[in-house]
Amino acid sequence: DIVLTQSPATLSLSPGERATLSCRASHSVSNYLAWYQQKPGQAPRLLIYDASNRATGIPARFSGSGSGTDFTLTISSLEPEDFAVYYCQQRSSWPPITFGQGTRLEIK
Amino acid sequence: EVQLLESGGGLVQPGGSLRLSCAASGFTFNTYAMNWVRQVPGKGLEWVSGISSGGTTYYTDSVKGRFTISRDNSKNTLYLLMNTLGAEDTATYYCARGRTPNVRMDWFDPWGQGILVTVSS
Repeated sequence: DIVLTQSPATLSLSPGERATLSCRASHSVSNYLAWYQQKPGQAPRLLIYDASNRATGIPARFSGSGSGTDFTLTISSLEPEDFAVYYCQQRSSWPPITFGQGTRLEIK
Repeated sequence: EVQLLESGGGLVQPGGSLRLSCAASGFTFNTYAMNWVRQVPGKGLEWVSGISSGGTTYYTDSVKGRFTISRDNSKNTLYLLMNTLGAEDTATYYCARGRTPNVRMDWFDPWGQGILVTVSS
């Protein structure tokens, strides 16, 4: 199984700052990586797919990059509603589809 | 508007069974892969099972032989039959659609609101 390791576990930033979240795969996943956002009490929401494509309705401040084993989700300028948990997911080698353990983005 | 609505969750004793349903609307159900993803309270996401638009099924190892995913395209409904349940199966279960039609396994978009399954005596 491909293991996805996200870092940091928790990121404390202020609104307006830039957020950089990392996801590292145990084996190459090419560009078959997605990012999801989950707010408390809500289902996850797809943000980025195929490593760098924004899903429908996702603001331009969210961007994804990377390929192979190292990926980054960047939020250029944090809005209050962006504080949430973020998960990466791969579908390069499945089953199983695997998720990272999540990064909690909290207000500093 | 695409909607996914899970039902059938609740409290079940260890060793028991439960069938989850996910009623879909707002899209051509029979052209999309569908999945179940679960989340232990306060923990991360775990993919459980998926079914292609053509009916091919896939499972994570921990549920193989215990869980059965199926779909009824005439009713626009996805199911997950869960047998021999254990405490480790306690979680919120989400159904999730593939992002694009006719892709065997795709990104999950959108997700239902989730349904809680609690396995306890």
